[in-house]
Amino acid sequence: AQKITQTQPGMFVQEKEAVTLDCTYDTSDPSYGLFWYKQPSSGEMIFLIYQGSYDQQNATEGRYSLNFQKARKSANLVISASQLGDSAMYFCAMRLSGGYQKVTFGTGTKLQVIP
Amino acid sequence: DGGITQSPKYLFRKEGQNVTLSCEQNLNHDAMYWYRQDPGQGLRLIYYSQIVNDFQKGDIAEGYSVSREKKESFPLTVTSAQKNPTAFYLCASRTEKLMNQPQHFGDGTRLSIL
Repeated sequence: AQKITQTQPGMFVQEKEAVTLDCTYDTSDPSYGLFWYKQPSSGEMIFLIYQGSYDQQNATEGRYSLNFQKARKSANLVISASQLGDSAMYFCAMRLSGGYQKVTFGTGTKLQVIP
Repeated sequence: DGGITQSPKYLFRKEGQNVTLSCEQNLNHDAMYWYRQDPGQGLRLIYYSQIVNDFQKGDIAEGYSVSREKKESFPLTVTSAQKNPTAFYLCASRTEKLMNQPQHFGDGTRLSIL
């Protein structure tokens, strides 16, 4: 079975500061992909960043980077230089390779950026 | 523009009534998914389909049914057996060709009981 855990229900960060959102996962499959999505209050899901289990380097996309620690089974999202528009729910998700490719989401972290 | 269209945006259900949520995609994606989101909660998988005429139960399939007669369409029926249907429903699709491809989501349907 695959499982995603996000232990921070809510986080606050000062504008222009960096923030780390935690995500741990559990799977015995050696091949998997990890995704982070942002969900503003309007409800749409916005894809942010992807990390594959065999990727040698941590993924980066603009102000987003992923701190991937495979041995610890963690894939934390780092947002640098926070902006007011970053206030939203953030979800970590995992997809296994092979067979029916079910995608499992964590419970999310609500990030609030303070001016 | 390619994308996923969910309709309606808001839906109200009476006691004992079945309602159907529409999801259409023109992205030529093979896989489609339905998720339920309760206030302040994560996404829970209801059903998913990898190919036409085939679908799998997710974690909370009881009280729901789906069909996948066309690649573009994956409607979700919330049956009267679902006693607590009030939630935000999100449909998603993705290509199976590459592992790193994310899901694309619709704008969601908010379902409430009258």
